[in-house]
Amino acid sequence: EAGVAQSPRYKIIEKRQSVAFWCNPISGHATLYWYQQILGQGPKLLIQFQNNGVVDDSQLPKDRFSAERLKGVDSTLKIQPAKLEDSAVYLCASSSHGLSPLHFGNGTRLTVT
Amino acid sequence: DQQVKQNSPSLSVQEGRISILNCDYTNSMFDYFLWYKKYPAEGPTFLISISSIKDKNEDGRFTVFLNKSAKHLSLHIVPSQPGDSAVYFCAASRPWGTASKLTFGTGTRLQVTL
Repeated sequence: EAGVAQSPRYKIIEKRQSVAFWCNPISGHATLYWYQQILGQGPKLLIQFQNNGVVDDSQLPKDRFSAERLKGVDSTLKIQPAKLEDSAVYLCASSSHGLSPLHFGNGTRLTVT
Repeated sequence: DQQVKQNSPSLSVQEGRISILNCDYTNSMFDYFLWYKKYPAEGPTFLISISSIKDKNEDGRFTVFLNKSAKHLSLHIVPSQPGDSAVYFCAASRPWGTASKLTFGTGTRLQVTL
């Protein structure tokens, strides 16, 4: 089975610019997650979708971060405007149901200068 | 507030010996625990899990032990192999029936030497 696809792999932007990341989950997986992993830390959940509805976005900085999952398949995560502290790896994951193990993509490494 | 803690940032073990990675948690509401393995430039991959109704789960060379009273779990790898060299993340989840949300530890880098 094809894994979780993410693009781009790397992105370098200046602070105050905007950036978007794309994720295509494993086919048939209803649950999709975006995680932020800052260097030296574990992944931290930003948002969880069940089909195209948001289940949990309590840790998403909504003043600058937004995410959508139209049609319950692909998802995009946007940051506008970016700050230096947003430098991190952004991981997308999917699962077939709530507590089945997550399958992660390879992530997008964002550097904000 | 770090609810899942991996206090050893790194561990070096000789090939063929046992690797023991430790994890502590503070939230007594967690009842499902997982270990993920991460190679450089790749996403974490699921390794093994354990429910709070068990105290041990085994899968080949990997065994996870859970001590609920101590809020402690450990991952044993035996025998260790060079391909096991990676960062290992412990993760914990809230109760079934609610929106699942994994809380990850900061990871332990395991190096298996020849």
